[in-house]
Amino acid sequence: EADIYQTPRYLVIGTGKKITLECSQTMGHDKMYWYQQDPGMELHLIHYSYGVNSTEKGDLSSESTVSRIRTEHFPLTLESARPSHTSQYLCASSGRLAGEETQYFGPGTRLLVL
Amino acid sequence: QQQVKQSPQSLIVQKGGIPIINCAYENTAFDYFPWYQQFPGKGPALLIAIRPDVSEKKEGRFTISFNKSAKQFSLHIMDSQPGDSATYFCAASPGGGDTGRRALTFGSGTRLQVQP
Repeated sequence: EADIYQTPRYLVIGTGKKITLECSQTMGHDKMYWYQQDPGMELHLIHYSYGVNSTEKGDLSSESTVSRIRTEHFPLTLESARPSHTSQYLCASSGRLAGEETQYFGPGTRLLVL
Repeated sequence: QQQVKQSPQSLIVQKGGIPIINCAYENTAFDYFPWYQQFPGKGPALLIAIRPDVSEKKEGRFTISFNKSAKQFSLHIMDSQPGDSATYFCAASPGGGDTGRRALTFGSGTRLQVQP
């Protein structure tokens, strides 16, 4: 069982609001990721981090930003939410399992912007 | 450009049947191919994974077949059960050692329904 947590699980918010989606893991993993997923659809990488003070943009352009001040914490921020940001956001971290680097996912945050 | 193509989009089988989900990739730098299982309202969970140096890997009722020359891999679920009903994603990531990005490129997902 992966120890990766996301809060909130569900968020309904109005256009223009600033929001921060929290992600934390207790496995000591250096690498962490944010994916965006529309319901039942494929996952798209929007941000990743190799470690503290290291962040990179992913394959899918996103207006969100991330920070990595502590190993265990990788929050995602939207400065001004819009309806087009409505989606599910999945956080993941990766570490070694039986010699293979494996990604573990959190339960996700389902965001609805009105 | 979709680097990992997955089919079918949805699949319905009877209990005990053997659903097969197929994926094809384009990037020859990919060297790690996991399958994830996702239930509604949950994050994806690793099911089984394979590397190109083997053609088949089995874990319990789940088997991955890998064809390196065709750049294709597939998931077979033996003796499928209603509890296997979920969305299945194939994925791939490139090598690069400890400094490699190791982020996964996902297929578009297959919604599997196993009827009792």
